[in-house]
Amino acid sequence: EAQVTQNPRYLITVTGKKLTVTCSQNMNHEYMSWYRQDPGLGLRQIYYSMNVEVTDKGDVPEGYKVSRKEKRNFPLILESPSPNQTSLYFCASSLGAGVYEQYFGPGTRLTVT
Amino acid sequence: GESVGLHLPTLSVQEGDNSIINCAYSNSASDYFIWYKQESGKGPQFIIDIRSNMDKRQGQRVTVLLNKTVKHLSLQIAATQPGDSAVYFCAEKNNQGGKLIFGQGTELSVKP
Repeated sequence: EAQVTQNPRYLITVTGKKLTVTCSQNMNHEYMSWYRQDPGLGLRQIYYSMNVEVTDKGDVPEGYKVSRKEKRNFPLILESPSPNQTSLYFCASSLGAGVYEQYFGPGTRLTVT
Repeated sequence: GESVGLHLPTLSVQEGDNSIINCAYSNSASDYFIWYKQESGKGPQFIIDIRSNMDKRQGQRVTVLLNKTVKHLSLQIAATQPGDSAVYFCAEKNNQGGKLIFGQGTELSVKP
């Protein structure tokens, strides 16, 4: 089944403790992206990647890192999480960066205390 | 700055009626627009898209209209069903880049 998977689905952590949220797609998509969703603010793009070893900042990249060493994986790294990073995170992928449908993962609910 | 917004945060319709969800965008360089549906507890799901060289596109029970003159996008859902209840987002992007900008969303509630 073609899909985008994220792990973990739920995470509660403390300020400053490094964490990684994994994202994987099995559709051989070149383009992958991370979003955060907050009430009243909709979905905001954190980082995106047009291909392996190519990443770019979205609208809200501060406090996040990403890497794209393989085509299928695009992990989101929070080196020192803070409470303002408490949010619902979505990973997405598409064939390319152009006019292609983006497929979203199920989301990761992160709480930083 | 760039922004994509929705005129109404909530919309309540009777089952069987048609629904219209509106979206305004401000970046005239955007040339690709997408509507997503997000059900509770799930990720956004693609509904329909439209390129800037078109003004109308139809899918199954859905139609997207694009008015570039006034930078307005709308999603029409025909014969709305309870399963259509969700939050709907419009999004825009420039075909040359990967940055996708979402609107804040409209919650559609369908009354049986």
